[in-house]
Parts: sequence; C-alpha cells; structure tokens
Amino acid sequence: SYVLTQPPSVSVAPGKTASITCGGNNIGSNSVHWYQQRPGQAPVLVIYYDSDRPSGIPERFSGSNSGNTATLTITRVEAGDEADYYCQVWDSNSDHRVFGGGTKLTVL
Amino acid sequence: EVQLLESGGNLVQPGGSLTLSCAAPGFTFSSYVMNWVRQAPGQGLEWVSTITGSGLSTYYADAVKGRFTISRDNSKNTLYLQMSSLGAEDTAVYYCVRATGTTGAFDSWGQGTLVTVSS
Repeated sequence: SYVLTQPPSVSVAPGKTASITCGGNNIGSNSVHWYQQRPGQAPVLVIYYDSDRPSGIPERFSGSNSGNTATLTITRVEAGDEADYYCQVWDSNSDHRVFGGGTKLTVL
Repeated sequence: EVQLLESGGNLVQPGGSLTLSCAAPGFTFSSYVMNWVRQAPGQGLEWVSTITGSGLSTYYADAVKGRFTISRDNSKNTLYLQMSSLGAEDTAVYYCVRATGTTGAFDSWGQGTLVTVSS
C-alpha cells in the first residue's frame, strides 16, 4: 500500500517560517490534503488539492507538491499554530485513503 | 452550518460488536461521500471506511475489511459503522467525516466517539 512519510516533529520560533514535508513515491502525481489537529480537538482541513485554502484558513498557510515531496508551509508562525499536522492522499491503486504519520509542530 | 454528531461509542469486550451512528444535519447529506476515520490513543489518524452518496459503493481499510460495515440512511441523514470481532487494536476515537467527492479532501469532521475494547 501507498506510504506517506512525515518528520515526527518540527520546531520553529514565533514569526518564522515552518515547512512540513510529506514524502511518497511520485506523490506529485497525487492530490495532497493537509489537516491541523490541535490537542484535544478534531482535525481541521487547512490545505486541499495541494495548494488550495478553505475559507477561514489564513493566507499564512500554503502548500506545494512536486516529485516525491509535498510541503505545507506556514509563514509568520504563531503560538496558536502549535498542533499536529497530517498529509493525506487517495491511493488510486487500492482505492484507499492514506494518512501520513503526522508531524508535531512546536512553537519555541 | 455543517454538523456531524457521532454517538454509540462505548466499552466493549474483545470479540464483541458495536454500531456507531453519525447524525448529519445542516447540509444535503445524500450529495456527499462520507467516511469514518479513527485515532488510537496517542497515535495518528487512520482512514477506516468510505461510502458514496448513494450508498452503492463502499471502501474499507485492510485492517477492518470483513469485520466492519459502513452504511447510510439518506432519509434520516445518518451514517453508520457496524463493527464486529472487535480487538484491542480497534480502541480509538472514531470520527465521522464528510468528503468533497470520492477522492477529495475531508472537509468537515465530527468531534468523535470513543470506542474502548477491553475485558
């Protein structure tokens, strides 16, 4: 089955830029979605179809996808961005949806 | 406003069965693909199952195929997950999730219902 690989943790100082990667075999040919999960809360969609933002998500959140890596970028990081972030794709070979293992973003 | 209201989570013994429900007021339920996603304590998200708007097509993760059954009643705006032969590995918070199409993103999530499998 298709595997998505994320770094377990990323740390960033307030006001700086955080980049969270999601690796997969030729992931650039898939559409990647990203979710934010704050402690004790349900996940929230922050990026869909690689780089689109749902209404209500700040412009500080952006996404890209090419080759074997998709990236979620958060600029001007705030304390409220501290959360777990998950990438997700639909695997056409298996008709399964797949999540990455998640990345814990820590704001220093 | 989209609302997804899960219920049915409980403590169940290994080998037992349980049915989860998800009431979905606030949108045209029959037009949307619906899903169950679970999260074991302290772990990441795991997709469990998907059902199309008509209910005619269903998909399952390998870990639950043959044990879980997803269904929906569009007249009641309700999604279900029937679970059987439960094991400790099924202990998790189960989220009811709306998707933007069969292969699209999960755009709305419920608050989850906890299933604990233990003797």
